[in-house]
Amino acid sequence: EAGVTQFPSHSVIEKGQTVTLRCDPISGHDNLYWYRRVMGKEIKFLLHFVKESKQDESGMPNNRFLAERTGGTYSTLKVQPAELEDSGVYFCASSPRQGAYEQYFGPGTRLTVT
Amino acid sequence: GNSVTQMEGPVTLSEEAFLTINCTYTATGYPSLFWYVQYPGEGLQLLLKATKADDKGSNKGFEATYRKETTSFHLEKGSVQVSDSAVYFCALTDSNYQLIWGAGTKLIIKP
Repeated sequence: EAGVTQFPSHSVIEKGQTVTLRCDPISGHDNLYWYRRVMGKEIKFLLHFVKESKQDESGMPNNRFLAERTGGTYSTLKVQPAELEDSGVYFCASSPRQGAYEQYFGPGTRLTVT
Repeated sequence: GNSVTQMEGPVTLSEEAFLTINCTYTATGYPSLFWYVQYPGEGLQLLLKATKADDKGSNKGFEATYRKETTSFHLEKGSVQVSDSAVYFCALTDSNYQLIWGAGTKLIIKP
C-alpha cells in the first residue's frame, strides 16, 4: 500500500509568487489534514478535510492560503501571494477515521520564500 | 487552550544509555496522547500512543504512560541505539481531532 505522498519535496520561490503544494493521501482515507512547521516553532494545524468537504479550517493563517480537495482524493494547498513568513515545512496526513486513529504523514514539502 | 510542552533539545546520549524525554500537556476533556518520530530525511511516523489515563504505549523499546494526575506522557527507552537519533514530537488530539504538537526534541546518540 502506498503511503502519503507530497509534491514537490522542496520549493524555492520569490516573495509575491504563487506556489501550489500537492498531497496524495492513502487510498481510501477520507480524512486529510494539512500542518506546517515554521522554522524553530511547533507544528501547527492548518485544516482538515473529510472527503471533499472542509471539516475544520480554523488553522489557516489568512486568505492567501487556499486548500482544495476535488473529488475527495488528492488535495492542493495554494499560497498566493507568498510572503517570507510562509517559509517552512508543510506536512500532509491522512487517516481512515477521526479521533484517536493514527494520522499517516507524508514526507513534507519544504517551502522557502526569498 | 490545549498545549503540549516538551523538553528542549538537543539531547545527546551515548549508546546504551537510558533515555527520558519529558512531555506535559494542558487540555480540556480527555485527549489522546501520541509520540511521533522524524528520522533524518523522512516524514513523521507514529511511534506510540495512549488513549486513556494509565494506558501505556510501547513500540521499538520505547514506552510512555498516560498520567492524568501529573498531565504527563514522558517517553522512555532503557538502552538507546545510534539508529534512534531523530526528532521526537509529543502531541495530543483535541476535541476537533486536530493534533496539537510540542516543539520537538532532537535526540543525538553517539557510538
